[in-house]
Amino acid sequence: TQLLEQSPQFLSIQEGENLTVYCNSSSVFSSLQWYRQEPGEGPVLLVTVVTGGEVKKLKRLTFQFGDARKDSSLHITAAQPGDTGLYLCAGDYNAGNMLTFGGGTRLMVKP
Amino acid sequence: NAGVTQTPKFQVLKTGQSMTLQCAQDMNHNSMYWYRQDPGMGLRLIYYSASEGTTDKGEVPNGYNVSRLNKREFSLRLESAAPSQTSVYFCASSEFAPTRIRDYGYTFGSGTRLTVV
Repeated sequence: TQLLEQSPQFLSIQEGENLTVYCNSSSVFSSLQWYRQEPGEGPVLLVTVVTGGEVKKLKRLTFQFGDARKDSSLHITAAQPGDTGLYLCAGDYNAGNMLTFGGGTRLMVKP
Repeated sequence: NAGVTQTPKFQVLKTGQSMTLQCAQDMNHNSMYWYRQDPGMGLRLIYYSASEGTTDKGEVPNGYNVSRLNKREFSLRLESAAPSQTSVYFCASSEFAPTRIRDYGYTFGSGTRLTVV
């Protein structure tokens, strides 16, 4: 079983602060995706990273793929209450066969 | 709106009862998946179907069966529910091709919250 570790598990911050969450594995990914899940809903795709060292930006969110394609990070600048949710990383180890999900980081941004 | 529809949204079962969770997608996707989500454990794959007529076991298949009824529908059956199967169940679909999954990811339903007492 492939294992994806996410850290921290929980994060509570004030509006306007910056934060970084991490996703790590001992295995190499073909690609890695980040999802956000709100209460009572299914996860929604934010971004996919494919190339080692790749950086993608989505407004205040910056996603980075490690050079060795074994880890990834999500950085949020000036967090807002609307960023509150569960952030999940998901690795594709078999070039499109299926995704393996990490345990998630639960983020709460207080106004 | 196009997407993945799951029914029911909530269900309470007694130990030993059986039930079927329904899932349907209207995006003409080839592959469909059933995951369960437990606190701190992320999403774990129960079964998946890469195409109509095929099903395969995922990480945690014990106690479950699936049926890919047609291209649109993929059901999950609990034959004899146990308290350990208390969880939130998500159905998802995607195009079963590397570039498609990379570009569009999975589309998830809104989940079925199941409690087994």
